[in-house]
Amino acid sequence: SAVISQKPSRDICQRGTSLTIQCQVDSQVTMMFWYRQQPGQSLTLIATANQGSEATYESGFVIDKFPISRPNLTFSTLTVSNMSPEDSSIYLCSVDETGGSYGYTFGSGTRLTVV
Amino acid sequence: AQSVTQLGSHVSVSEGALVLLRCNYSSSVPPYLFWYVQYPNQGLQLLLKYTSAATLVKGINGFEAEFKKSETSFHLTKPSAHMSDAAEYFCAVRSGYSTLTFGKGTMLLVSP
Repeated sequence: SAVISQKPSRDICQRGTSLTIQCQVDSQVTMMFWYRQQPGQSLTLIATANQGSEATYESGFVIDKFPISRPNLTFSTLTVSNMSPEDSSIYLCSVDETGGSYGYTFGSGTRLTVV
Repeated sequence: AQSVTQLGSHVSVSEGALVLLRCNYSSSVPPYLFWYVQYPNQGLQLLLKYTSAATLVKGINGFEAEFKKSETSFHLTKPSAHMSDAAEYFCAVRSGYSTLTFGKGTMLLVSP
């Protein structure tokens, strides 16, 4: 299965600033996803990152707050903009290698704390 | 629409005891079902998956799960718990080419 490198692994940021998270995959994949895991909670899909087009956002998530780039089939970034303490979460990149009956492969996540 | 319900936010077992983590799903079409494990400060690792082949699915680390359509369940079991099994477990469902939807997770605590 694909190997995903996610950077940074953790960060502590000041409120009002922005953080860009990078996700690098060792093979070309069509579908990449960004999830948020708030403290003690399950995973919530933020958006699907499409190569060559705008990301598709889930209800409750907007592009101004979470802009996403997908310049090629192996790389994506998620930016958390104008951060507040409520944005403190684990952000996970994932990929769907088979486009159907298989689960996603996940990166190790970015642990973000906003102070 | 699809959803997952995991019964019990925490499950405690003794080392060597049976592990049973419950998962019920809702899906309008035949689903694909998954169990993931998350160890502290790590990402998610796929334990096993059901993709419409055998209803009893074996995964890594001695875990297995049985798909029961009549009960819309996909419970995770392991005959004998090990201390290293302590982690959070997530059940997830996917209907066709939809995205993956996760349950709220169950924290497995293993005592010596």
